[in-house]
Amino acid sequence: EVQLVESGGGLVQPGGSLRLSCEASGFILSRYNMNWVRQGPGEGLEWVSYISYNSASTYYVDSVKGRFTIHRDDAKNSLYLQMNNLRDEDTALYYCARAQYDSSGFSYIDKWGRGTLVTVSS
Amino acid sequence: DIQMTQSPSSLSASVGDRVTISCRASHDIRLSLAWYQQRPGKAPKLLVYTTSKLESGVPSRFTGSGSGTDYTLTISSLQPEDFATYYCQQYYDPPWTFGQGTNVES
Repeated sequence: EVQLVESGGGLVQPGGSLRLSCEASGFILSRYNMNWVRQGPGEGLEWVSYISYNSASTYYVDSVKGRFTIHRDDAKNSLYLQMNNLRDEDTALYYCARAQYDSSGFSYIDKWGRGTLVTVSS
Repeated sequence: DIQMTQSPSSLSASVGDRVTISCRASHDIRLSLAWYQQRPGKAPKLLVYTTSKLESGVPSRFTGSGSGTDYTLTISSLQPEDFATYYCQQYYDPPWTFGQGTNVES
């Protein structure tokens, strides 16, 4: 069974840092592109970041560029999101999400973790 | 960036109703469109990808259609477990953007 388990969330002051982790099981992580998606309190889904299966490509939503870094350690079956200079508006539930390729070669999210909550507040 | 406009933002329906949710992209996304269901307090769940391909295990009452910039998710006969929020997402071009969501309530 595919499982994605996030950890590392918590309460942090504005300007602070956190590192989120996502432990994958039930599949070979190195074969998949991975994403982070967040959901603010009572809000919709916002895609945050992507990393390709071989780490060759990474993408970020504009609001986190220069502050967040996505990386992976396939030997540890883990995905990470380093978040620096956190702002109030980064408060959200952060989901780790696996992506599959469709027949046209585009990558869509097919599995989600349960999320880890990040609260940025003084 | 590609903007996704989803409508309606909420709708009221009854068990057995036919429900249609629309999603419009600001640019042609060439069928690279997925639909997700999110029940309260739960993670999103993939329903449909590539506009019309049903994810394994998803009931056949869910149907996706569309092309170009206009896409639709249809639930042919609403069941009690279908009351939830639905999101479309384009994965044609980063940043991969979601619609605002449609809350299907009784």
